[in-house]
Amino acid sequence: ELKVEQNPLFLSMQEGKNYTIYCNYSTTSDRLYWYRQDPGKSLESLFVLLSNGAVKQEGRLMASLDTKARLSTLHITAAVHDLSATYFCAVAVQTGANNLFFGTGTRLTVIP
Amino acid sequence: NAGVTQTPKFQVLKTGQSMTLQCAQDMNHNSMYWYRQDPGMGLRLIYYSASEGTTDKGEVPNGYNVSRLNKREFSLRLESAAPSQTSVYFCASSQTSGGVGEQFFGPGTRLTVL
Repeated sequence: ELKVEQNPLFLSMQEGKNYTIYCNYSTTSDRLYWYRQDPGKSLESLFVLLSNGAVKQEGRLMASLDTKARLSTLHITAAVHDLSATYFCAVAVQTGANNLFFGTGTRLTVIP
Repeated sequence: NAGVTQTPKFQVLKTGQSMTLQCAQDMNHNSMYWYRQDPGMGLRLIYYSASEGTTDKGEVPNGYNVSRLNKREFSLRLESAAPSQTSVYFCASSQTSGGVGEQFFGPGTRLTVL
């Protein structure tokens, strides 16, 4: 059974601080996705990581993928209140439709 | 482009009632998906359609049926709703041939079964 585990599940941090969210998965995959969800809203795609060693950055967020360790990280630099949201990682399984298995999410709250 | 659209946005059903959730995408994607999201959990795949004319079960298919009406539309039907099906339902689509497989999500349907 494929497992996708994120930690921490809840993260409260002060503005200006740095932190990392971890995503571990239990099966071989070379595709990993990060999504953001605001309360009561849909999921917004943040990053697509397609190979071992892939690194993507957008603003204060940087995502990386280590397929050998089956680990992805989402690093937050100098957090601001607007980053408050729930962040999900999702691992792709090739079934002909690129099915995604989602982690349980990390609820991030940035305190002014 | 509207992206992925879903109707209705909200629905309240009584136990045993049936309903169909509608989903449409205008991005010419070949694959479509239905997920449910419960509090404190990530999204779980109910059914998917890799291409027009095909559908397959996902992780939690029991109590649901789907129809891929054409390339644009993918509907989810609850034949006899149960309180355990109270959830938020998301439809998604992606281009899985020649693309990076990124899924784009609709706004969701919040379903309550009493």
